[in-house]
Amino acid sequence: DTGVSQDPRHKITKRGQNVTFRCDPISEHNRLYWYRQTLGQGPEFLTYFQNEAQLEKSRLLSDRFSAERPKGSFSTLEIQRTEQGDSAMYLCASSLSGGHGYTFGSGTRLTVV
Amino acid sequence: DAKTTQPPSMDCAEGRAANLPCNHSTISGNEYVYWYRQIHSQGPQYIIHGLKNNETNEMASLIITEDRKSSTLILPHATLRDTAVYYCMGYAGNNRKLIWGLGTSLAVNP
Repeated sequence: DTGVSQDPRHKITKRGQNVTFRCDPISEHNRLYWYRQTLGQGPEFLTYFQNEAQLEKSRLLSDRFSAERPKGSFSTLEIQRTEQGDSAMYLCASSLSGGHGYTFGSGTRLTVV
Repeated sequence: DAKTTQPPSMDCAEGRAANLPCNHSTISGNEYVYWYRQIHSQGPQYIIHGLKNNETNEMASLIITEDRKSSTLILPHATLRDTAVYYCMGYAGNNRKLIWGLGTSLAVNP
C-alpha cells in the first residue's frame, strides 16, 4: 500500500462546469476525510466518513458539493457549477478509528477560470 | 478544540536544531498535542503527538510543559528538506476533525 492516492493532481475547469475528484485511502483505514486549503491558510474541514456513512459535513460544504464513499473504500468529491471561489487544494486523508494521526494524500489542485 | 498560537515564521541554519513553539492554553485534559508539517504543494505529513510526557520519534522530539499550555517541536539537526509549514493542534482522538491554524513557516538556510 503506497498511502492515500488522489486523482487528478491538477484540474483546470471553466466556471460553471462540474468536476469530480477521487480519493483512495489506505486500505485498512475506515475513516476518510476531505479538507480544502487555500493559499496561505491551513486546511479547512469539509466532510468525514466512517466506512460508507457520511457522519459530518461542514457548513463550507454548500449544496453544490457532494461526497460519497460507496462500499466504504474510495471516495469521490463532486463540485457542481464551479465558481472561481472554489479554486483551492482539495485534500483527502484517512485514519483508523481509535488511531492517532491522519495520512494525507498529495491533494488535487483545482483552478476555476 | 484547543486554540493554538504559533509564530508565523522562523529561520534555522542547516544542521542546527530547530525549536518551534506552540501555545495551546485552552487545551483540554483529553486532547493530545499533534504536530504536522506541510512541504510546499504536498499534503500535510504527521510528525508526532503527545499527551503529557515528552515524546521522541525518528523525525522529531516533542516537549510539553507540565501545565500543558505550551509545547515545543524540536528538529534536532535541520536539513533543507525540513523547510515547510509546521502546524500544531489539539486533538482528542475521537473528534472527527482536526482544526488547523496558520502554522509556522520554517525556512532552513544553507
